[in-house]
Amino acid sequence: SQQGEEDPQALSIQEGENATMNCSYKTSINNLQWYRQNSGRGLVHLILIRSNEREKHSGRLRVTLDTSKKSSSLLITASRAADTASYFCAPSEGAGSYQLTFGKGTKLSVIP
Amino acid sequence: DAMVIQNPRYQVTQFGKPVTLSCSQTLNHNVMYWYQQKSSQAPKLLFHYYDKDFNNEADTPDNFQSRRPNTSFCFLDIRSPGLGDAAMYLCATSRDYGARDGYTFGSGTRLTVV
Repeated sequence: SQQGEEDPQALSIQEGENATMNCSYKTSINNLQWYRQNSGRGLVHLILIRSNEREKHSGRLRVTLDTSKKSSSLLITASRAADTASYFCAPSEGAGSYQLTFGKGTKLSVIP
Repeated sequence: DAMVIQNPRYQVTQFGKPVTLSCSQTLNHNVMYWYQQKSSQAPKLLFHYYDKDFNNEADTPDNFQSRRPNTSFCFLDIRSPGLGDAAMYLCATSRDYGARDGYTFGSGTRLTVV
């Protein structure tokens, strides 16, 4: 398995603004997943984008994937204080690849 | 609701005293994972079960053991906890390897060693 690297490590924005965080990885993937972790809690699966997809939406979340650059971005539009959390990306090599390896994440603070 | 439940949420144990953390799932997923997450660090995979087959990560200390008596339950045993084992322990499940609906995590157990 391979680890995604999130950037920036920390991001602070005002409520209502958009938040963008990025993920880079090293080798070919089958899909890439994004997770959110509220302070002191477990991770929550947000969205999965397959290697043959370029963009995917879920509510206020937009994920893009550029396999040529081996990178992905997560955009949260119209952020809310409740979006304050750490966000992790996890590249997956797909079926037969048993584990997801997480990076240190991006710590997002949304200021009311 | 189908979910992954970890008990207890907070556990305090004495240095060197064995401790067991519990995870249960109602999702009927094949795979159960244990991750260790220290403060401001990435979750680190300790081991996982595919059904009854146990798979240890190469760098998981021998101090950590696991049991999966049935599909629903998985336990993490720390035989002799040290101060360095203080962390959040996360249990997760997935339908299968590489499952496209991702992992479902429990809320974690925060372990304090005194």
